[in-house]
Amino acid sequence: EPEVTQTPSHQVTQMGQEVILRCVPISNHLYFYWYRQILGQKVEFLVSFYNNEISEKSEIFDDQFSVERPDGSNFTLKIRSTKLEDSAMYFCASIPQGNTEAFFGQGTRLTVV
Amino acid sequence: GEDVEQSLFLSVREGDSSVINCTYTDSSSTYLYWYKQEPGAGLQLLTYIFSNMDMKQDQRLTVLLNKKDKHLSLRIADTQTGDSAIYFCAERGNAGKSTFGDGTTLTVKP
Repeated sequence: EPEVTQTPSHQVTQMGQEVILRCVPISNHLYFYWYRQILGQKVEFLVSFYNNEISEKSEIFDDQFSVERPDGSNFTLKIRSTKLEDSAMYFCASIPQGNTEAFFGQGTRLTVV
Repeated sequence: GEDVEQSLFLSVREGDSSVINCTYTDSSSTYLYWYKQEPGAGLQLLTYIFSNMDMKQDQRLTVLLNKKDKHLSLRIADTQTGDSAIYFCAERGNAGKSTFGDGTTLTVKP
């Protein structure tokens, strides 16, 4: 069964460093999302991406964040200068044409020290 | 904005049925989902229901939707210790993004 894959599964980075979280959505899906879950809290929407541009973003998604779909298969989330409070699990999701169920990856656990 | 509410904790005995409830505010919700999350793991999609349906059954899982009251429930029949996890309710409207509840921690006692 096709699945959304995310790498790495766990990343530790120093405060102030840049990180890139990678996702490979299911091929032929058209809508892409990033969510985050701070430990013990709910899953929060960050950004949605469609037709090679951001379609919606939340208040959390400030200038420190950016997304890219550089080669038609990968979908990346970049955090330019990480802060301690960026420590969280980051989930990528994709939705096919027809806009039915959302498929989530297993997540990347980001720890900022 | 959209909001999804769930009770935080539920404890049942093995073999009993579990019912996890959820309410949401977005009247344009198209899909409603239930996800399971085990400690340190990702989100496992358990089931989902279209907003024009009242009920969906999938083996031990039964989802009931009361669209008028914006109330969703997940019933797990014959609950097992392996069902212990956090269960998230989520809704998705036409905009495409999902809004999640806080999660209900289900504890199954032997």
